Amino acid sequence: NAGVTQTPKFRILKIGQSMTLQCTQDMNHNYMYWYRQDPGMGLKLIYYSVGAGITDKGEVPNGYNVSRSTTEDFPLRLELAAPSQTSVYFCATSVAQNTGELFFGEGSRLTVL
Amino acid sequence: DQQVKQNSPSLSVQEGRISILNCDYTNSMFDYFLWYKKYPAEGPTFLISISSIKDKNEDGRFTVFLNKSAKHLSLHIVPSQPGDSAVYFCAVETSYDKVIFGPGTSLSVIP
Repeated sequence: NAGVTQTPKFRILKIGQSMTLQCTQDMNHNYMYWYRQDPGMGLKLIYYSVGAGITDKGEVPNGYNVSRSTTEDFPLRLELAAPSQTSVYFCATSVAQNTGELFFGEGSRLTVL
Repeated sequence: DQQVKQNSPSLSVQEGRISILNCDYTNSMFDYFLWYKKYPAEGPTFLISISSIKDKNEDGRFTVFLNKSAKHLSLHIVPSQPGDSAVYFCAVETSYDKVIFGPGTSLSVIP
């Protein structure tokens, strides 16, 4: 039972490069989220989706894009990577009961040099 | 402006004693308050939650207390065990299960 799977786990990018963080879930959850965690900080919401074809901005969306073509997948695209995007990125899902209980992947550590 | 505050970045407790982690929030309209636990190199995991209509919720060794007038919640762990050593995030649910997290408190339980 895989749950929420994120790839890659680690990546180093040069300034200005682009990449996509992949997130896939096998729990059939409608709601999906991307968070980032910086050292000593809580998690900040980047984008979220309440179902296939629907996405919306969170607290810190600048520099990122998302798409949701299927229930299972929610990729996060970084365009023109900047050092400020160095962070650990977490994908999460929920059963859409509006109780705040999220299921997280293991994270993707991104370094931009 | 932080909506969820955890003023203690770290806490050390002896094994078997009580751990008390504190959290303050700013918006009285939140409906659900949660605690998440995070080990290094892993994603956060849901620990316990409380609805705004309650003032206490227990789950085994973990109890969450909510004081709405003070906009304060706390997590009690009794008895504390070395395996409880982790970062604990206080969080609130806003809408569509969007969760706002506090900065976290790193708990160390000393054997």
